[in-house]
Amino acid sequence: AQSVSQHNHHVILSEAASLELGCNYSYGGTVNLFWYVQYPGQHLQLLLKYFSGDPLVKGIKGFEAEFIKSKFSFNLRKPSVQWSDTAEYFCAVTTDSWGKLQFGAGTQVVVTP
Amino acid sequence: NAGVTQTPKFQVLKTGQSMTLQCAQDMNHNSMYWYRQDPGMGLRLIYYSASEGTTDKGEVPNGYNVSRLNKREFSLRLESAAPSQTSVYFCASAQKGGRNSNQPQHFGDGTRLSIL
Repeated sequence: AQSVSQHNHHVILSEAASLELGCNYSYGGTVNLFWYVQYPGQHLQLLLKYFSGDPLVKGIKGFEAEFIKSKFSFNLRKPSVQWSDTAEYFCAVTTDSWGKLQFGAGTQVVVTP
Repeated sequence: NAGVTQTPKFQVLKTGQSMTLQCAQDMNHNSMYWYRQDPGMGLRLIYYSASEGTTDKGEVPNGYNVSRLNKREFSLRLESAAPSQTSVYFCASAQKGGRNSNQPQHFGDGTRLSIL
């Protein structure tokens, strides 16, 4: 069965620190990859997506992610976080034409002032 | 700019009661989805509808039914609620493209459901 693994469940860091969240998936075929963010009490919002082409994708709010096919990874990065980046981050994968998303368990990120 | 609208936002039920969660989207999307979100488990797909008139099971369909009433609306029904169905439920929609060109899903604000 396909699966999506997020390495960290909780991350605490200070403002201006760099952030990297790991995501690995288990599927050997073509994938579409996503990172979503959920701010406290809100719905999921798309940060960025990868369908094809340049494996380094840039999203909103200064986030970027790199697709490394050989490692089945799609890690999320931000060079300098802000307090407002406190949220839960979800990696998600689709492998079929129906667009069904397989989510990772999520990483809760807390940024301290 | 309503996007995806879910009702109700909160609901408390007793075990055995039935309930329908409503979802509507105004983006003319073809595909719609129902997920449940539980702590430490991310979101899991309950049912989806690739187009009007079609529905299919997702990862955790047991205990649920769905209806794609028209292109805009996709409802989720709990016929006999159980405490294990206590969760936050999210509806999503997407403009389905061809293979390898799926568009991102847009999510509603969620329904927080507690079963006592």
